[in-house]
Amino acid sequence: AQSVTQPDIHITVSEGASLELRCNYSYGATPYLFWYVQSPGQGLQLLLKYFSGDTLVQGIKGFEAEFKRSQSSFNLRKPSVHWSDAAEYFCAVGGNSGGSNYKLTFGKGTLLTVNP
Amino acid sequence: DTAVSQTPKYLVTQMGNDKSIKCEQNLGHDTMYWYKQDSKKFLKIMFSYNNKELIINETVPNRFSPKSPDKAHLNLHINSLELGDSAVYFCASSYGDTQYFGPGTRLTVL
Repeated sequence: AQSVTQPDIHITVSEGASLELRCNYSYGATPYLFWYVQSPGQGLQLLLKYFSGDTLVQGIKGFEAEFKRSQSSFNLRKPSVHWSDAAEYFCAVGGNSGGSNYKLTFGKGTLLTVNP
Repeated sequence: DTAVSQTPKYLVTQMGNDKSIKCEQNLGHDTMYWYKQDSKKFLKIMFSYNNKELIINETVPNRFSPKSPDKAHLNLHINSLELGDSAVYFCASSYGDTQYFGPGTRLTVL
């Protein structure tokens, strides 16, 4: 069964500081990995995804993530955090459950607080 | 221009009532999903439809009945609402590997 662990429930950083959000996954085959962001009262927005190829993927809003198969990790990073990055971040692993159905399993999320 | 839309945004109702949440996508996707996000923000898939056919049903009580009148719509009907049904329900759609989410419907059962 596929699963995702986000070890940090809540992270606080200062504006301008660097950020790394951790994600570990369990999946039987080559995983499809995603990071989504949810601002308060909003839906989920896709930040980036990894399927194959270059293990360092670039996303929107200056985010990047690195896939490390040996560590079963897909950590999200940003070199300099902006106050508008304060939100809940979800890591997800997916696999093809037939046809064009991709079943996503989400982690429990990491809440990011940004101090001025 | 909204890609995935849901109505209503908020829904407050009494226990035992029946209610529906509507979802529409204008992305031309052939697969749609319903997710439930509980009070601890945990997101879990409930259903998936592909071309109006049910593909994924994640052991959801049969009080929940999704209906897909066409590829662009996936509605969720809930019978005999219970307190534990209070949550945010998200609709999503995809063509291939990436899912796009609606803004969510916050359901409160009193």
